[in-house]
Amino acid sequence: AQSVTQLDSQVPVFEEAPVELRCNYSSSVSVYLFWYVQYPNQGLQLLLKYLSGSTLVKGINGFEAEFNKSQTSFHLRKPSVHISDTAEYFCAVKQAGTALIFGKGTTLSVSS
Amino acid sequence: GAGVSQTPSNKVTEKGKYVELRCDPISGHTALYWYRQSLGQGPEFLIYFQGTGAADDSGLPNDRFFAVRPEGSVSTLKIQRTERGDSAVYLCASSWTSGKNNEQFFGPGTRLTVL
Repeated sequence: AQSVTQLDSQVPVFEEAPVELRCNYSSSVSVYLFWYVQYPNQGLQLLLKYLSGSTLVKGINGFEAEFNKSQTSFHLRKPSVHISDTAEYFCAVKQAGTALIFGKGTTLSVSS
Repeated sequence: GAGVSQTPSNKVTEKGKYVELRCDPISGHTALYWYRQSLGQGPEFLIYFQGTGAADDSGLPNDRFFAVRPEGSVSTLKIQRTERGDSAVYLCASSWTSGKNNEQFFGPGTRLTVL
């Protein structure tokens, strides 16, 4: 069975600092990996996804993630965060023809 | 075009009552998914449809939960004999198909509160 572990429930950072949100997954087969963002009182929005090919994936709003098969990780990074990046971030895994399996989420709080 | 819409946005009901939650997917999307998000948790898969049929209903917690999609577009999630533990945000998503390349677009959710 697939599962996703987000290692940090809350990550507080100052504006313009770099940030990394950690995600590990477990699966016995090939999977596809996603990061979603949920702003307060809004629906989930796709940030980026890894399906195949280059292990470094770039997404919207300056975020990127690196797929590491040997460590079964898919950590999300941004070199310089803004106040507007404050939100809940979810890592998710999927196999073809199945639904998404989400982690519990990481709350990113950016302060000035 | 219009995104995924869900109605109602909020639903308050009493323990033991029956509720229906509606999802209107993006036009043309053949795959439709229901998830449940409890406070402080990530979305949890309930059921997904490919067309009119339920392709995977393994996430439904028990037989009080049922979903339909009779014409392959709008879907209704039905909960019988609601319990306080059913309180959560119910999310609907749709995609062109269920294949790996197809992004799931999420609706804003229905917040269900069972008193």
